[in-house]
Amino acid sequence: KNEVEQSPQNLTAQEGEFITINCSYSVGISALHWLQQHPGGGIVSLFMLSSGKKKHGRLIATINIQEKHSSLHITASHPRDSAVYICATLHQGAQKLVFGQGTRLTINP
Amino acid sequence: GAGVSQSPSNKVTEKGKDVELRCDPISGHTALYWYRQSLGQGLEFLIYFQGNSAPDKSGLPSDRFSAERTGGSVSTLTIQRTQQEDSAVYLCASSFIGRGLYEQYFGPGTRLTVT
Repeated sequence: KNEVEQSPQNLTAQEGEFITINCSYSVGISALHWLQQHPGGGIVSLFMLSSGKKKHGRLIATINIQEKHSSLHITASHPRDSAVYICATLHQGAQKLVFGQGTRLTINP
Repeated sequence: GAGVSQSPSNKVTEKGKDVELRCDPISGHTALYWYRQSLGQGLEFLIYFQGNSAPDKSGLPSDRFSAERTGGSVSTLTIQRTQQEDSAVYLCASSFIGRGLYEQYFGPGTRLTVT
């Protein structure tokens, strides 16, 4: 069982819809990353958070340390948001990331 | 350059050959990471360098894989006697490690194909 589980694995939505991607993890962490990977492109770090909530433009990331759960929300989704979104955790006392399997998001116009 | 760079961007090699992949981290970043993204496998950690400390090699899949970081900057990942299962995108990332937590910045990756 992967230590980091994401859901859903695939998500297709219409432009303008509110999107939620979930991430659950099984061990204590010091921080959690949300990453974005476009087809054929590199990986961009969207957020790194250790508590609470962060917002950047239409993207919002939340984390609940007690429940070992994080969510990534996209408001007013757009076709350019189509990408793979990856949750990755940084274990306490370590520097290497443990990755979820990713969520492939497709936003149709 | 402002970001992490990797070379080559693509590499096709024959089974059994050795390959070297290069990573130039962001200037001033003290930590450097290598990850691998295999088709259908997701991302996995390979090795981590931090300053002058001994590297964390716990993710290297076999003794055919090695990496070094010269002068605390550029890193080279070497795969000896390549196998078809080594085909993947190899990603490098760097970050500044100090007090608190710092984001990792990823390079564009090297796509390795072993024929």
